[in-house]
Amino acid sequence: DTGVSQDPRHKITKRGQNVTFRCDPISEHNRLYWYRQTLGQGPEFLTYFQNEAQLEKSRLLSDRFSAERPKGSFSTLEIQRTEQGDSAMYLCASSLGQPLMNTEAFFGQGTRLTVV
Amino acid sequence: GENVEQHPSTLSVQEGDSAVIKCTYSDSASNYFPWYKQELGKGPQLIIDIRSNVGEKKDQRIAVTLNKTAKHFSLHITETQPEDSAVYFCAASFNDYKLSFGAGTTVTVRA
Repeated sequence: DTGVSQDPRHKITKRGQNVTFRCDPISEHNRLYWYRQTLGQGPEFLTYFQNEAQLEKSRLLSDRFSAERPKGSFSTLEIQRTEQGDSAMYLCASSLGQPLMNTEAFFGQGTRLTVV
Repeated sequence: GENVEQHPSTLSVQEGDSAVIKCTYSDSASNYFPWYKQELGKGPQLIIDIRSNVGEKKDQRIAVTLNKTAKHFSLHITETQPEDSAVYFCAASFNDYKLSFGAGTTVTVRA
């Protein structure tokens, strides 16, 4: 397994357009996370999945954002009607989750979104 | 929610010297404290972590200390090498899934 894979690596879009990102986690990992990272800041939690169930969404995730993880494998993050403030690095991570215990989260290389 | 503050924001050290990065957290329920290294164009990579039942952990040139009473934890890198140059992030978690990150420290090791 080559780790967490994200596609595309870079995306430039015009304001108002919709974009979709894909994340392929490490195959045996049951948990998948999306984080957003802006320049000079640490990653900020957006949402996470336990298998196919989306269990928590941050208030950072406005109604324009939607994430899915069909069949508990890959995940997609869609942003509708993009705004310039959506420009950021979107990071996906996965882990082999255990109840009541943090385990290592492995991050992908991210998708850098630029909204012009 | 959890708030993590990290200092300094930039750190320049001579090769072979030690580097220390400090973080404080706000939620006393936090029990997991990982440190990530991020190189340019790459995602964060875990370098060491510590849980609240331990005060110190070491892995070769890297060590982390935790003071639960004061709610702060630190990363120590000894005998720094040029390949240690990167951005380092501390994080804290009070549940078993969400990490709250600090703003990062850019470490530059001068040859």
